[in-house]
Amino acid sequence: GNSVTQMEGPVTLSEEAFLTINCTYTATGYPSLFWYVQYPGEGLQLLLKATKADDKGSNKGFEATYRKETTSFHLEKGSVQVSDSAVYFCALSDRGNAGNNRKLIWGLGTSLAVNP
Amino acid sequence: NAGVMQNPRHLVRRRGQEARLRCSPMKGHSHVYWYRQLPEEGLKFMVYLQKENIIDESGMPKERFSAEFPKEGPSILRIQQVVRGDSAAYFCASSGPTNTEAFFGQGTRLTVV
Repeated sequence: GNSVTQMEGPVTLSEEAFLTINCTYTATGYPSLFWYVQYPGEGLQLLLKATKADDKGSNKGFEATYRKETTSFHLEKGSVQVSDSAVYFCALSDRGNAGNNRKLIWGLGTSLAVNP
Repeated sequence: NAGVMQNPRHLVRRRGQEARLRCSPMKGHSHVYWYRQLPEEGLKFMVYLQKENIIDESGMPKERFSAEFPKEGPSILRIQQVVRGDSAAYFCASSGPTNTEAFFGQGTRLTVV
């Protein structure tokens, strides 16, 4: 079945450091890929998405490229800030599901702490 | 346009009681998804509903759990005879006609004591 694997945390970085959070997936068909962020005590917010191979999603300085050949969707940011401290989730939506079902399959989340 | 509204934000129930979690989707959204986030785990899909229909309940426990999305009013996730293992954060998401992006509520954190 479909699955998402992301690197384990916690990840601790200093402000302005480069961030990479690895995400790989297993899926039949051609899924859409997402990164969600969960700030402390808050719900989930969509950070970025990509719907087909070679698409690059970007938002708030974060980027991720849909790599079909390596089945990956790694999240990157060139210079992190303290306010980026949160839990980041990689997810996929299988467009091949019956009917219009777009349920998300989730990675376990990666906690990021950015120190000043 | 208000976002997805879940209430209550926090719910405490004693073992054996019933828990009712409510989700009001964004205006114009007819697709609702429920997910559960257990402590130290990722989110797991529970159920997908459209107005008055359950489309996919493959992630729902076989007993004690039920969900509905009536023609009028919020979607309800109901847990009967709660046990400690039901303690988790329950998230609702809704999406619009094209169903390509899900918007999440802030979740209901259920604690069973």
